[in-house]
Amino acid sequence: DIQMTQSPSSVSASVGDRVTITCRASQDISNRVAWYQQKPGEAPKLLIYGASSLQSGVPSRFSGSGSGTDFSLTVSSLQPEDFATYYCQQASGFPYTFGQGTKVEIK
Amino acid sequence: QVQLVQSGAEVKKPGASVKIACKASGYSFTMFFIHWVRQAPGQGPEWMGVINPIGTRVNYAQKFQGRITVTRDTSTSTVYMDLSSLVSEDTAVYYCARGADFGDYVFAFWGQGTQLTVSS
Repeated sequence: DIQMTQSPSSVSASVGDRVTITCRASQDISNRVAWYQQKPGEAPKLLIYGASSLQSGVPSRFSGSGSGTDFSLTVSSLQPEDFATYYCQQASGFPYTFGQGTKVEIK
Repeated sequence: QVQLVQSGAEVKKPGASVKIACKASGYSFTMFFIHWVRQAPGQGPEWMGVINPIGTRVNYAQKFQGRITVTRDTSTSTVYMDLSSLVSEDTAVYYCARGADFGDYVFAFWGQGTQLTVSS
């Protein structure tokens, strides 16, 4: 199985801050990465697919980059509604696997 | 609009089986794969398996092989996930999810989740 190692596990930030989360795959997965946001009690929400494509309806302050084994999700200016947990997911092949998550908390 | 509505919470004893339903609406049921993903308390999501729109092919994570069966009923646009030989570690929220218009390899639409508790 392809392992997805996400870091950091948590980050404290303020409204307006720029935050970057990274994800490393255990093997080359090209650009087959998606990013999700999850709030307590809710299902995950797709933010980014194909490593850098913004899902319809997602604010442009979210962006993704990377290819091969190293990927990142950046929030350019944190808004109050962005405090949540974020997960990467590889879609290179079955079984699809997720990172362990990064919790973005209010400083 | 696309909706995936799941059946309600379940409480099961170890060794039992559970069947969770996922009813789809708002799109052509046979055109998109349906995945099952679970999330244990405090953990990241875990992909379990997928069924194709025609229902003739399924793919399961090796971890669940022999315990999981995913089926579909096209007459009711419903997908079912059976999990047998339950253990306490199966306690989790179970989600069905549909792929995106551009590809079935990401999860663009999710059900509301079904809480499964396995306890003696």
